[in-house]
Amino acid sequence: NAGVTQTPKFRILKIGQSMTLQCAQDMNHNYMYWYRQDPGMGLKLIYYSVGAGITDKGEVPNGYNVSRSTTEDFPLRLELAAPSQTSVYFCASSFPPFTDDLGTQYFGPGTRLLVL
Amino acid sequence: DQQVKQNSPSLSVQEGRISILNCDYTNSMFDYFLWYKKYPAEGPTFLISISSIKDKNEDGRFTVFLNKSAKHLSLHIVPSQPGDSAVYFCARGFGNEKLTFGTGTRLTIIP
Repeated sequence: NAGVTQTPKFRILKIGQSMTLQCAQDMNHNYMYWYRQDPGMGLKLIYYSVGAGITDKGEVPNGYNVSRSTTEDFPLRLELAAPSQTSVYFCASSFPPFTDDLGTQYFGPGTRLLVL
Repeated sequence: DQQVKQNSPSLSVQEGRISILNCDYTNSMFDYFLWYKKYPAEGPTFLISISSIKDKNEDGRFTVFLNKSAKHLSLHIVPSQPGDSAVYFCARGFGNEKLTFGTGTRLTIIP
């Protein structure tokens, strides 16, 4: 049981390039999330999904896109990378909030992205 | 706006003593709260949670207290150990699928 996995661990992008951050979970969780964490800040929700084919915007969605074609995978797409997108990106998954574990979110190890 | 605030960015505690991390929140409808712990270069890991119908939840060395009248949440770690040195985030859920996270408190346990 690998939990939540993310690739790559680290990436340097040039301004204007695009890339996809991969996220997969093997816990059969319905809900998946993408967060970013900037230095000294909390986690900001970018996008989330409550099931395959269903996605919705979080707090900071601009500059990103997501898709959810399977229960297991939830890739995050960056188009036209900008220096403001330099951050650490975390993917998480959970069961629905009103379950016994209060929808506890399980996080991947993160992807560190540097846009120059 | 549903907010959680961790007003102390850092805290240092002697090994063996009690560590108390605090979190304040605004509004309160069907809330539940969670604490996460984060080591450098790793993702946050779940520590302990509490629903709004409870005042206290305990799990080993970790106890979370919820003071609904003061809209205040605290995490007690007793006794503190060197491996507890990490950044601690409080998070609040409010009846849907999204959590709101505080900015974190860096706990350093001094041997």
